[in-house]
Amino acid sequence: GAVVSQHPSRVICKSGTSVKIECRSLDFQATTMFWYRQFPKQSLMLMATSNEGSKATYEQGVEKDKFLINHASLTLSTLTVTSAHPEDSSFYICSAKADTQYFGPGTRLTVL
Amino acid sequence: QKEVEQDPGPLSVPEGAIVSLNCTYSNSAFQYFMWYRQYSRKGPELLMYTYSSGNKEDGRFTAQVDKSSKYISLFIRDSQPSDSATYLCAMSAGGGSNYKLTFGKGTLLTVNP
Repeated sequence: GAVVSQHPSRVICKSGTSVKIECRSLDFQATTMFWYRQFPKQSLMLMATSNEGSKATYEQGVEKDKFLINHASLTLSTLTVTSAHPEDSSFYICSAKADTQYFGPGTRLTVL
Repeated sequence: QKEVEQDPGPLSVPEGAIVSLNCTYSNSAFQYFMWYRQYSRKGPELLMYTYSSGNKEDGRFTAQVDKSSKYISLFIRDSQPSDSATYLCAMSAGGGSNYKLTFGKGTLLTVNP
């Protein structure tokens, strides 16, 4: 149990385009989901907390207009990176809260 | 002082060895403790979750929590090459609005055949 999926697993896009990443809890309902970013050989950095039916809460220094989060159902949260630039290239990981946080497999974003 | 300290390693052991991974923390509000395993280019996988002092065992893995010393450990018995990964400790103060995880930096473990 407690399986979380992410789609896509890898995405390459051109600078200036927008990219949407989906996070789904497959076998449980998650009122709360989280989005993280991870740079090579570093730990996870929390970007935002997403609550179903309400606005996401962003961590200090994370641009809410650049990283749009939508949590429209109890099993789906999406992260849209708007007007992506090469510095947005990273590994993005979501998690969904049941008894604790269960993580998705991650999405590797490369912006050319 | 960081809230959670974890030796990043790297740690290299022979197959079959007992591995000990540790984290210390400074925030006495932390009540829930987790260990995650992360393979390269993958999301973290929950190994152990505990909210009380003492030991919790699951197969080859034992998690130990000492709240009085603010110290947690993960022991891996009969380590296998497939255990080679980064191990992250994580902790939280509780549910509701306090439910954010604070992570250690992770320890890179290599188990050599």
